[in-house]
Amino acid sequence: KQEVTQIPAALSVPEGENLVLNCSFTDSAIYNLQWFRQDPGKGLTSLLLIQSSQREQTSGRLNASLDKSSGRSTLYIAASQPGDSATYLCSNFGNEKLTFGTGTRLTIIP
Amino acid sequence: EAQVTQNPRYLITVTGKKLTVTCSQNMNHEYMSWYRQDPGLGLRQIYYSMNVEVTDKGDVPEGYKVSRKEKRNFPLILESPSPNQTSLYFCASSSTAINQPQHFGDGTRLSIL
Repeated sequence: KQEVTQIPAALSVPEGENLVLNCSFTDSAIYNLQWFRQDPGKGLTSLLLIQSSQREQTSGRLNASLDKSSGRSTLYIAASQPGDSATYLCSNFGNEKLTFGTGTRLTIIP
Repeated sequence: EAQVTQNPRYLITVTGKKLTVTCSQNMNHEYMSWYRQDPGLGLRQIYYSMNVEVTDKGDVPEGYKVSRKEKRNFPLILESPSPNQTSLYFCASSSTAINQPQHFGDGTRLSIL
């Protein structure tokens, strides 16, 4: 059974810094890898989707990479802003099911 | 506006009283699924549907039922709710099962007393 781990569980950084969030999988059979953000009391918003044949995706200040051989993905956020404060979750789609990590709660300090 | 709509957003009810949480999407998506989110456990998939009349169990299906009679709707049914089903529930959809982003509803907070 696929398990997804996100470390750290919480992270606080000063505004303007670059940061990296980590996600690792127990099963290297990754069909697509998706990063979401969740704001308090809200649903999940898709940030980036890396298909199984891809290694990375970029959107604005966000860059997500996928290393299938090691079962790891990272989300890089450049020049962080207070509006980036949220919980970030990664998920793997495999065997018709979506498996989520428990998330990293990110706080950007103004 | 493309969206996934869940109703109700909040519900407090009592043990054993049947309830249904509706989920509707207006994007003609084939894949729909339900999740529950609990502190420390993250999001766990309850049921999913690859297309109309096709449903299958996720990781935590016990105590839940679903149906997919129409492409746009995927209701979650709790026949006899119990307190351990108190949770935050999310419905999601995507155009196909693989290689397309998931779109989530805003969530339904259920409290079973």
